[in-house]
Amino acid sequence: SQTIHQWPATLVQPVGSPLSLECTVEGTSNPNLYWYRQAAGRGLQLLFYSVGIGQISSEVPQNLSASRPQDRQFILSSKKLLLSDSGFYLCAWSLGLAETQYFGPGTRLLVL
Amino acid sequence: TQLLEQSPQFLSIQEGENLTVYCNSSSVFSSLQWYRQEPGEGPVLLVTVVTGGEVKKLKRLTFQFGDARKDSSLHITAAQPGDTGLYLCAGVIPGSARQLTFGSGTQLTVLP
Repeated sequence: SQTIHQWPATLVQPVGSPLSLECTVEGTSNPNLYWYRQAAGRGLQLLFYSVGIGQISSEVPQNLSASRPQDRQFILSSKKLLLSDSGFYLCAWSLGLAETQYFGPGTRLLVL
Repeated sequence: TQLLEQSPQFLSIQEGENLTVYCNSSSVFSSLQWYRQEPGEGPVLLVTVVTGGEVKKLKRLTFQFGDARKDSSLHITAAQPGDTGLYLCAGVIPGSARQLTFGSGTQLTVLP
């Protein structure tokens, strides 16, 4: 069966510090991968998606970047965090575009 | 502008009551999904509806896709405290390069 992991689970970082959040998927090959940000109790905002290694599509301009160095690894990064980067970050995978997405447990980021 | 509008945003009811949550759009969707999310966790898929007018039941939950495939509803019978969570609808726009478009969510609290 497929599983998706995210770490860390919680992160507190000062403004201006770098960020690296990691997401890995097991049990499937060539998944589509997604990064979302969610404000408290609200819907999901799609940040990036990837259909293959090295292929990244950005949905919104922002202070963040994404990379996919391996088939089942998706990384969300920032060189300098802003206060507004605080939130709940979710990684998801799907077999095809516009198909059911399966979510990881999320990373709660607090920028102080 | 939110492509998928969910209502109500917040709902607090007593155990045993019935409730309906709505997901509306001016766009036609080729499919629509409902997720439930508990605090600090990723959303979990409940159901996918594909055909206009389709009704699916999952124990005490009944999902309906509008005839025109622009809206959907989730009805819960005899709600229980375990139903508490954030309910998200997400749709796929035919021919669109975008992935799933998520609604803003309905936060349901069922009081014992």
